[in-house]
Amino acid sequence: AQSVTQLDSQVPVFEEAPVELRCNYSSSVSVYLFWYVQYPNQGLQLLLKYLSGSTLVKGINGFEAEFNKSQTSFHLRKPSVHISDTAEYFCAVSDSGGYQKVTFGTGTKLQVIP
Amino acid sequence: GAVVSQHPSRVICKSGTSVKIECRSLDFQATTMFWYRQFPKQSLMLMATSNEGSKATYEQGVEKDKFLINHASLTLSTLTVTSAHPEDSSFYICSAPDRGGNQPQHFGDGTRLSIL
Repeated sequence: AQSVTQLDSQVPVFEEAPVELRCNYSSSVSVYLFWYVQYPNQGLQLLLKYLSGSTLVKGINGFEAEFNKSQTSFHLRKPSVHISDTAEYFCAVSDSGGYQKVTFGTGTKLQVIP
Repeated sequence: GAVVSQHPSRVICKSGTSVKIECRSLDFQATTMFWYRQFPKQSLMLMATSNEGSKATYEQGVEKDKFLINHASLTLSTLTVTSAHPEDSSFYICSAPDRGGNQPQHFGDGTRLSIL
C-alpha cells in the first residue's frame, strides 16, 4: 500500500513569483508518481508524471517536478506563476504496474495573488 | 481532447431517487475503470474498481448495494447511486487507465450530485 502527504493545504504566492508545492510518498515497492490540477467543479488534468528514467520531469503549463528516491519526495515547481495557475493541485502515487489504483494526497490550494 | 467522457456533469434530485452516472472511454477500450468520490475541499477517495465482465471490487466502507457498478462493455462503466439521500451529495469522478492498461489514468470531468 502507498500513501501520499501534501503538508501544505494552502500556498499563497504573488504573481510572477516562483512556487514549490511539496509532496512526500510512502511505499514498499517501486512507484509511479503524478501531479494533477483541478479547477473548480472540474475533473482532474494531468500536469506531469514520473514513470522511469530522468528524475526531473517537465509537464504542461511550465511546471516541473523532481523525483527524489532517497527523500521519497516529488515536489512540484514553477519559476513564475500566473493568475491562471490558481487551482487545487493533487500529488498521486501508484504501484509501478498496469491497472493499479491511484492514491491521492489531500491536495494543495495554490492561490496566486495579483 | 478528452479521452474519458462522464455524463451527466450535474444532477439535482429529490431524496429517494436513484441516479445513474456514465463513464465512457473514447476511442480505446478500458477493461478496468475506477470510481472516486470527492467531498468539498477534500481529496479523491477511491470507491471501487469496475471490471468489465465481472463484479466490481469495492473499497472498505463503501456500500456495494448503495453504489451499484456495471461495466457492461469495454468502453462503458456506470455508477448508480440507489435511493440517494442528502449525505450522498458529492462530486463523483471516474477514470480509466491509458491504452494498454498503462499509467497515467485519464479522468472524466466529474459529476456534481446534489440531493435535496
